[in-house]
Amino acid sequence: DGGITQSPKYLFRKEGQNVTLSCEQNLNHDAMYWYRQDPGQGLRLIYYSQIVNDFQKGDIAEGYSVSREKKESFPLTVTSAQKNPTAFYLCASTSGGSSNYGYTFGSGTRLTVV
Amino acid sequence: AQSVTQLDSHVSVSEGTPVLLRCNYSSSYSPSLFWYVQHPNKGLQLLLKYTSAATLVKGINGFEAEFKKSETSFHLTKPSAHMSDAAEYFCVVSEGSGGYNKLIFGAGTRLAVHP
Repeated sequence: DGGITQSPKYLFRKEGQNVTLSCEQNLNHDAMYWYRQDPGQGLRLIYYSQIVNDFQKGDIAEGYSVSREKKESFPLTVTSAQKNPTAFYLCASTSGGSSNYGYTFGSGTRLTVV
Repeated sequence: AQSVTQLDSHVSVSEGTPVLLRCNYSSSYSPSLFWYVQHPNKGLQLLLKYTSAATLVKGINGFEAEFKKSETSFHLTKPSAHMSDAAEYFCVVSEGSGGYNKLIFGAGTRLAVHP
């Protein structure tokens, strides 16, 4: 079955560490997105990529970095510069550049700073 | 810029009674609108979408939503709630800019269903 796989499901980070969240899709979608979800705030866009080797900052990109070396993969690195990284992170994809068909979401990674 | 307001952060209903989750949007264009559902610690699942076809949109699991341009609303309804409907629901608008569209999410409405 086609879909988006996020791993790990739970991740713990020590202060000052960088961590990388994995997102892989086998839907042949062109565009991929990373969202951060905090309680009562809906989803906020971190980064997005419309094609391989290209990505754009979203609304809250500070302290995060991404790469898009393959169409199937869009990993997110949470750097030590992100002061409040504890959150639920969701990866999504859609075909083409239009969101009019909606997004397909992964099942999320919950990141906790310890 | 487009925005979405979900009018209730929490809604509680009894099993078998109707569900109404309210959503208002602001948009400069003819919007594309969506409702997504999220169960605890899960990703989001698309319930239904409006993309300028019929104003009454039917989705999965018995949900439907009506697009009312005059009221800038896109409320989600279901005639009879089931225990499995307990989840968080997000109203979403598609925003276009320079050929690229992105989704703008409401803050969410948590639906509780009581026996």
